[in-house]
Amino acid sequence: QSALTQPPSASGSPGQSVTISCTGTSSDVGRYKYVSWYQQHPGKVPKLIIYEVTKRPSGVPDRFSGSKSGNTASLTVSGLQAEDEADYYCLSYRDSKILWVFGGGTKLTVL
Amino acid sequence: EVQLVESGGGLVQPGGSLTLSCAASGFTFSTYWMNWVRQAPGKGLEWVANIKPDGNEKFYVDSVKGRFTISRDNRENLLYLQMHSLRAEDTAVYYCAKEHETFDHWGQGSLVTVSS
Repeated sequence: QSALTQPPSASGSPGQSVTISCTGTSSDVGRYKYVSWYQQHPGKVPKLIIYEVTKRPSGVPDRFSGSKSGNTASLTVSGLQAEDEADYYCLSYRDSKILWVFGGGTKLTVL
Repeated sequence: EVQLVESGGGLVQPGGSLTLSCAASGFTFSTYWMNWVRQAPGKGLEWVANIKPDGNEKFYVDSVKGRFTISRDNRENLLYLQMHSLRAEDTAVYYCAKEHETFDHWGQGSLVTVSS
């Protein structure tokens, strides 16, 4: 039950855009619309920022956007702000005994 | 307002047992799949187990199969995780999470430390 593949780190300067990838397989990311992204600040509970590939929960700024192509999902953070510095995790449904799988996480640094 | 409150964490010796509870409120508990997710210190998130609304189907990550049991009490709005034969690598913050097309609400987490 291997995790989805994310880059361990990403960075950008304030105001810039950064994209974080999440690569799975045809059994998870490539098959289902149930791909989500979470933001986690140190010592805090993960916060849902994108669900069903592109949807944003109420209250999440539209600077955060999601997309998917084939077996790879992506999270783009536009207009980077200092408070965006956090760990980001993708999550996908996987069609194997009905389970969910997370990505390994990406630490986003705002330079 | 949806609330999930975990309890029952603590220090346990290797090979020991512990049961986590998650008290749910603010939604119709009996109609949602529920999950446990854990995060080892300094590590990423790992899905652990989930359970169908009626409790009749349960699924686990391979590393806990045969050692952990997820269950629920829909009359009391409680989710449980019974953990046996605990190992050092089970040390983590354990979160309960409500499932609605994703994990849309999480508890604050309960720390389980397995150490002698």
